[in-house]
Amino acid sequence: GAVVSQHPSWVICKSGTSVKIECRSLDFQATTMFWYRQFPKQSLMLMATSNEGSKATYEQGVEKDKFLINHASLTLSTLTVTSAHPEDSSFYICSARGRDEQYFGPGTRLTVT
Amino acid sequence: AQSVTQLDSQVPVFEEAPVELRCNYSSSVSVYLFWYVQYPNQGLQLLLKYLSGSTLVKGINGFEAEFNKSQTSFHLRKPSVHISDTAEYFCAVSDLKLSSNTGKLIFGQGTTLQVKP
Repeated sequence: GAVVSQHPSWVICKSGTSVKIECRSLDFQATTMFWYRQFPKQSLMLMATSNEGSKATYEQGVEKDKFLINHASLTLSTLTVTSAHPEDSSFYICSARGRDEQYFGPGTRLTVT
Repeated sequence: AQSVTQLDSQVPVFEEAPVELRCNYSSSVSVYLFWYVQYPNQGLQLLLKYLSGSTLVKGINGFEAEFNKSQTSFHLRKPSVHISDTAEYFCAVSDLKLSSNTGKLIFGQGTTLQVKP
């Protein structure tokens, strides 16, 4: 089946620094990938839709200058959290669109100290 | 716009008992419906999906769900649960543009299934 990986699986960074999270589709090409954010004991909130070769589409309320998304190839999308603050600490999950479903990565736990 | 409501935030159940996790949706167009399971600190795994055809959908791990258009529901059921079924379960809906550039999933709030020995 379709496999999506994320790297790193967890990261700790200091406030004010930037951190990049990678999302890869390992055995298929994904023209569209999605980035979600999940707070403890809560549901997934869609942050943005990433289309290969074009600008990402951000959901309302998501700061595009803070959460930079780059989908440079058919197998890789990256999310960069710029100037991270403790309130950005969360579980970030990506998914890749398949024919009739989305395939989810294992998630990245970001802790900003 | 679509929305999803999972009516129970937590469902405690004893091992080998049956369970039903409830999901209702609202949409002005036809939809695809999904159930996902999430184990602690992991991503989401698809349990089953309804795209069209038979309203009773069978998934992995012995789960099944029934699409009821008149009641706008897609409840998840399992006749006999195991300790290993303890996890978070999410119902999700997408409009029929899932395969297009505009299709996206809308998730419910999640239901924690707690299976007790």
